[in-house]
Amino acid sequence: QVQLQESGPGLVKPSQTLSLTCTVSGGSISSGDYYWSWIRQPPGKGLEWIGYIYYSGSTYYNPSLKSRVTISVDTSKNQFSLKLSSVTAADTAVYYCARGDGLHWGQGTLVTVSS
Amino acid sequence: DIQMTQSPSSLSASVGDKVTITCQASQDIRKYLNWYQQKLGKAPNLLIYDATGLKAGVPSRFSGSGSGTDFTFTISSLQPEDVATYYCQQYDNLPQTFGGGTKVEIK
Repeated sequence: QVQLQESGPGLVKPSQTLSLTCTVSGGSISSGDYYWSWIRQPPGKGLEWIGYIYYSGSTYYNPSLKSRVTISVDTSKNQFSLKLSSVTAADTAVYYCARGDGLHWGQGTLVTVSS
Repeated sequence: DIQMTQSPSSLSASVGDKVTITCQASQDIRKYLNWYQQKLGKAPNLLIYDATGLKAGVPSRFSGSGSGTDFTFTISSLQPEDVATYYCQQYDNLPQTFGGGTKVEIK
């Protein structure tokens, strides 16, 4: 059974960089069968797709966040990561990692941007 | 970006009722639509893929229909455990986009 788990700081100061890692178990990112995504959900609001990465390192970012987002992959650790720079309070959200077909999601991690 | 207009934003129905949620895409997305169920405090759970495909293990009271720009999600007989927010998501074009969600409650 494929499982995903997000990890990273739950509190980030304004203007700093949010960094999260997603560890995949029960399946290999290197299989090349799927893209691997990041999605976020502000408290009480809907879902926003951030972007995804393929095992080769190929990425696509949501244009609304493109200037601030970097998604990377470490196939040796079966992990992929999200960096979001210059954060503001508007970036406070639960951040989810998911397999590209939507079948498997992490439990989500709340990241609060506050000084 | 493709806009996904989901309606209604909320509904209240009785146990056993048929519930219908619609999702309209701003342009043709063929069949590339997912439906998710999200319970409070949990990650979204995929129920329907490719507009009509029922994920393995999902009860048959859930179904999806449509193609192109107009899609429907149906719960044929609402159960107490179906209380949740439901989202559509298109994956035909990048960026992938979600509908605004429909909160389903029991009357």
